[in-house]
Amino acid sequence: DAGITQSPRHKVTETGTPVTLRCHQTENHRYMYWYRQDPGHGLRLIHYSYGVKDTDKGEVSDGYSVSRSKTEDFLLTLESATSSQTSVYFCAISEEPGELFFGEGSRLTVL
Amino acid sequence: QKEVEQNSGPLSVPEGAIASLNCTYSDRGSQSFFWYRQYSGKSPELIMSIYSNGDKEDGRFTAQLNKASQYVSLLIRDSQPSDSATYLCAVINAGNNRKLIWGLGTSLAVNP
Repeated sequence: DAGITQSPRHKVTETGTPVTLRCHQTENHRYMYWYRQDPGHGLRLIHYSYGVKDTDKGEVSDGYSVSRSKTEDFLLTLESATSSQTSVYFCAISEEPGELFFGEGSRLTVL
Repeated sequence: QKEVEQNSGPLSVPEGAIASLNCTYSDRGSQSFFWYRQYSGKSPELIMSIYSNGDKEDGRFTAQLNKASQYVSLLIRDSQPSDSATYLCAVINAGNNRKLIWGLGTSLAVNP
C-alpha cells in the first residue's frame, strides 16, 4: 500500500473556528490532492499540488486553502469552518495520471 | 448532464455470477479511464485502468472501453461477497490530465 497518512482522522469543531488537516506521504509522489466526499455529490476535488509550493484549485475550493512546503506534506486549511464543510476529506497521491492512492480519510464535523 | 454517469444501483447479483457495471462519459476527447472500488467507510482504491478500445483483463476483472459509444464497463466474473462495494468510474478529459472526473458510483451487492 502507498505510504500516505492523514491526521486527524476525526475532528469535531464549531462554526467559525480554523481547522487544518494534514496529509503526509512517504512515497515521494509528485502530485497530491484533497477531495471531499458527500452523499449525492461523490468525490469533489478541492485543491491539488503538482510540486512544492505549486498548487491549483479544484471544483470546490471556496473556503479552503492549501500549502505544500515539503514534498511529503500537503495541508488543507479551513480558515473559518462552516456547517457546509462537514464532510469526509480524502488526501490522495499519484505519479501517473489517474492512478491515485488515497489516505484513510478524515471525518470532519462542524457544529 | 453530468460528465460521468453511472447507475447508482444497488446492483444485486448472486455469488458466482458475472456483475456488469457501466459508465458513460460526455467528453469525446477523454483519453484515460479508471475503475475504483470503495468499501463502505473506507477510501477508494484503484482496480483497473484502460486507455484503448477493447477489453483489458486482470484476474476476475475485465474493463471494456468503447470510445465511439462513449462508455466504459467493468465485468466481475465469479462474483464473491467480498466484491460488495461501491464502484467508481473516473475519466481524464483532454483538458487537464491531472484532474479526474468522477461518477457517483454504483453500489454492488453480491449475495451468498
